[in-house]
Amino acid sequence: DGGITQSPKYLFRKEGQNVTLSCEQNLNHDAMYWYRQDPGQGLRLIYYSQIVNDFQKGDIAEGYSVSREKKESFPLTVTSAQKNPTAFYLCASSIGQVGRQPQHFGDGTRLSIL
Amino acid sequence: GESVGLHLPTLSVQEGDNSIINCAYSNSASDYFIWYKQESGKGPQFIIDIRSNMDKRQGQRVTVLLNKTVKHLSLQIAATQPGDSAVYFCAENAGGTSYGKLTFGQGTILTVHP
Repeated sequence: DGGITQSPKYLFRKEGQNVTLSCEQNLNHDAMYWYRQDPGQGLRLIYYSQIVNDFQKGDIAEGYSVSREKKESFPLTVTSAQKNPTAFYLCASSIGQVGRQPQHFGDGTRLSIL
Repeated sequence: GESVGLHLPTLSVQEGDNSIINCAYSNSASDYFIWYKQESGKGPQFIIDIRSNMDKRQGQRVTVLLNKTVKHLSLQIAATQPGDSAVYFCAENAGGTSYGKLTFGQGTILTVHP
């Protein structure tokens, strides 16, 4: 089945540690996105990518980094500079024309601090 | 500024009733809107979208209404079922300098009682 796969489902980070969240899609979508969701809140955009080897900062990019070396993959690294990383992280993709096509989401990675 | 908000954070209905979830937006330049359903521990699921050149769009048991005069969006769910219980988010794309970004509301919790 086509879809978006996020892994791991749960992740724990130690102080000073960088962690990388995986996002893979087999929908042949050009655009991919990373969001952060905090309890009782909507989604906030971290980074997005319209095409391979290109990405743009979203509203809350500080403390995060991404790469887009392959069309199907858009990993997110939560660096030690992100002081409040505990959240639910969601990856999404869309066909193209970024922002004017429905985005389809994975089932998220829940990141916690040890 | 660009923001999307919901009038009611919670909505409780009886099974079989119709549900109406409301959303206000502040940016008159927004030209694309989406409704998502999110169940606990999962990613948002696309329900329906609408472009600003339309006032109404219907799907299976759902209807989205757009009133550009008062910058208001609503999602109507017919014959609500217990499986419809979830958090519902509206999102807008404002275009212009925000091209490529969806802004999400905080969400409305819909609870359907058998």
